[in-house]
Amino acid sequence: DTEVTQTPKHLVMGMTNKKSLKCEQHMGHRAMYWYKQKAKKPPELMFVYSYEKLSINESVPSRFSPECPNSSLLNLHLHALQPEDSALYLCASSQAGRGGDTGELFFGEGSRLTVL
Amino acid sequence: GENVEQHPSTLSVQEGDSAVIKCTYSDSASNYFPWYKQELGKGPQLIIDIRSNVGEKKDQRIAVTLNKTAKHFSLHITETQPEDSAVYFCAASRRVRFGAGTRLTVKP
Repeated sequence: DTEVTQTPKHLVMGMTNKKSLKCEQHMGHRAMYWYKQKAKKPPELMFVYSYEKLSINESVPSRFSPECPNSSLLNLHLHALQPEDSALYLCASSQAGRGGDTGELFFGEGSRLTVL
Repeated sequence: GENVEQHPSTLSVQEGDSAVIKCTYSDSASNYFPWYKQELGKGPQLIIDIRSNVGEKKDQRIAVTLNKTAKHFSLHITETQPEDSAVYFCAASRRVRFGAGTRLTVKP
């Protein structure tokens, strides 16, 4: 199984809503990532979890709250978002997570978020 | 932090021609350089990667070259096919920052 599964595929929410994006992998990877991708732009790193601990936060606003309940699951909790937060949110996993050489990242197909 | 620059932003070639995409990076400590292909509606997928102890790597029609002294690496696709049309991203390790992307169009 070389899949990273993200749910939901599409999400529409109001600025006062609270919602969550979910990501799951069963490859035994110990590093998991959240990326944000706007149209016609590259993925931008948001968070990295290594061995279930947050290792990198790329100065992401607190209205985005990541959570790694176990080595297979990664959540992104959303609260009080702005319309400019509308984007494709990609989850990825890899074998390594410390320092420079991450090895191959396996990406999910993303959750497309629209904030009204 | 790491800064990765990628050129060109768009590339159009005839089927059967070669395509070359170039990237430069700033952090001399980077030691892993992957290339990802992203098709419409999908997440990026690794197509080839190279580590800093190797100067060139080839996988069928795809090759990557690395010049650590000059801090640049390139993706070479030979005998391009319409299914190669996609957006290609280079990346450098150390927080896995992606280049801006190259939209490749292969015309039949």
